[in-house]
Amino acid sequence: DAKTTQPPSMDCAEGRAANLPCNHSTISGNEYVYWYRQIHSQGPQYIIHGLKNNETNEMASLIITEDRKSSTLILPHATLRDTAVYYCIVYDYKLSFGAGTTVTVRA
Amino acid sequence: DAGITQSPRHKVTETGTPVTLRCHQTENHRYMYWYRQDPGHGLRLIHYSYGVKDTDKGEVSDGYSVSRSKTEDFLLTLESATSSQTSVYFCAIRVEGLNTEAFFGQGTRLTVV
Repeated sequence: DAKTTQPPSMDCAEGRAANLPCNHSTISGNEYVYWYRQIHSQGPQYIIHGLKNNETNEMASLIITEDRKSSTLILPHATLRDTAVYYCIVYDYKLSFGAGTTVTVRA
Repeated sequence: DAGITQSPRHKVTETGTPVTLRCHQTENHRYMYWYRQDPGHGLRLIHYSYGVKDTDKGEVSDGYSVSRSKTEDFLLTLESATSSQTSVYFCAIRVEGLNTEAFFGQGTRLTVV
């Protein structure tokens, strides 16, 4: 019962920005949007989260639309090490993940 | 690594035998989760806990039970393991609140033969 929809896969060229979309049309007013990524078979790793303002940290930027029904994770300069599955989730106490987007960064 | 450890890291067991996986945290976080991950399915929630003795089912709870008698330990039990339960199992912890990130363990690879 994931509340988000993401494309199953996308490719990106090394050094270019990667823009990962996520739809969360049923999000409610106090629910945060979180992004995680999972590299190979490791446990998922937190990237960034936001409520309604755009956020930036050392890993990525998060752009949330004004109506909060969708968001975009931006990896500004993708490297080969950014190849991973990226999960967008809307927080509830069950912490449900969907299938995510498999991002492949190509040299 | 946020003080979360899973044990064992790898296990091979026979069909029909009971198996218990352990998730241990040193952070005293309230929420703990068990997931399984299979090719093409992403992470699927099995059970979660919101406190000592407080647990609830996730989306794929059939065939699994959990227990949390102490804050630091969350146990996942397969009462009678089946081959369909061959998977990688991840544990996660999170503090209470909607503005808190989760931390994941390194996973347990379970093979049921």
